[in-house]
Amino acid sequence: DTGVSQDPRHKITKRGQNVTFRCDPISEHNRLYWYRQTLGQGPEFLTYFQNEAQLEKSRLLSDRFSAERPKGSFSTLEIQRTEQGDSAMYLCASSWGQGPDEQYFGPGTRLTVT
Amino acid sequence: AQSVAQPEDQVNVAEGNPLTVKCTYSVSGNPYLFWYVQYPNRGLQFLLKYITGDNLVKGSYGFEAEFNKSQTSFHLKKPSALVSDSALYFCAVRDTGGFKTIFGAGTRLFVKA
Repeated sequence: DTGVSQDPRHKITKRGQNVTFRCDPISEHNRLYWYRQTLGQGPEFLTYFQNEAQLEKSRLLSDRFSAERPKGSFSTLEIQRTEQGDSAMYLCASSWGQGPDEQYFGPGTRLTVT
Repeated sequence: AQSVAQPEDQVNVAEGNPLTVKCTYSVSGNPYLFWYVQYPNRGLQFLLKYITGDNLVKGSYGFEAEFNKSQTSFHLKKPSALVSDSALYFCAVRDTGGFKTIFGAGTRLFVKA
């Protein structure tokens, strides 16, 4: 068990560019979550996958954000036409089971939009 | 709508003294409640959760939390604080009918030797 990994750890991009982040969950975990965290705030829910199905997506998520988990393993989060307000830490978490799960978090990807 | 409030930005306690980190919540149905901890330069780690049953839940590192339905609270407690407990603590809630987990803004715990 190597834990949840995220790549890259840091990303600096110019406004208007597209970025893609990758999350590799713990191998046997069927659930995967994406969150966004800004300074002084707790993680903000973005979306949830159970296996390859995206079952819940925050209404706060604009159309510029999309996430996939094509084979029920790793997941990608893409942000199109980045804005300065997208600057944040993007966290991925995974878990196993059917009920209320404890989530295992990755180290996050810090995005800075200039 | 679900929400979580952590009324204290920071809690200061002397080593060896008991500590309490407060959390109140609001959900439409029955709640699942969680505490997570974030140490400097490390990812969020699960501490404990409440699903149903006994109102006192025990978790990792000697922490426990008490669920109080009438006060809609889930305060984190430890009988004797350690300097190494100094970290950022997050309370979280999930409605039993969904998958969305809502986190509070966090409370920074500072334990002085």
